Amino acid sequence: DQQVKQNSPSLSVQEGRISILNCDYTNSMFDYFLWYKKYPAEGPTFLISISSIKDKNEDGRFTVFLNKSAKHLSLHIVPSQPGDSAVYFCAASGNSWGKLQFGAGTQVVVTP
Amino acid sequence: GAVVSQHPSWVICKSGTSVKIECRSLDFQATTMFWYRQFPKQSLMLMATSNEGSKATYEQGVEKDKFLINHASLTLSTLTVTSAHPEDSSFYICSASPSGLTSPEQYFGPGTRLTVT
Repeated sequence: DQQVKQNSPSLSVQEGRISILNCDYTNSMFDYFLWYKKYPAEGPTFLISISSIKDKNEDGRFTVFLNKSAKHLSLHIVPSQPGDSAVYFCAASGNSWGKLQFGAGTQVVVTP
Repeated sequence: GAVVSQHPSWVICKSGTSVKIECRSLDFQATTMFWYRQFPKQSLMLMATSNEGSKATYEQGVEKDKFLINHASLTLSTLTVTSAHPEDSSFYICSASPSGLTSPEQYFGPGTRLTVT
């Protein structure tokens, strides 16, 4: 039962433009959401997170938006850079502290 | 900060043998560590939660006698794949959550590629 869904397996964006990655979840008990970036044959790298008491969190080029009523969050990367080409995972945590449920990932390719 | 290492980064073993993978938090203490596996082009699947000084908690469907986890100190957890078979070939990743952290961020190791021949 996939509780965290990333329905877009891939995204191609031009360098300098905005990348928007989407994530939906089904479990209303989730109260903390995270985005990770992963290169092949490496472990995921933490990017940004958001608590359910907020609807936006910003860190440099990365902004995460949370819409609790829609059970939807998104990650905006602007401007996109070639080094942003990677797989991005959305993750959620709920009442089992520390356990993360991951989405399937979205492969982002930033083209020159 | 928040660096997690894994050793080895890749290993090839024969069917029937056992393989031990180490996960270390280098610059922080971690009461809790997690073990994941990832199949090609798939998401990370949580295998077990490892708590220092106590037994690991395994996710449904994960054989605890096959995947032995030991978390002997606040900076080291080990995963031993016993009697490995080709279907155990996968990318194994550990993560650690700093002790005392008030949010559930986990910091991941670089992963271990296991190939069972």
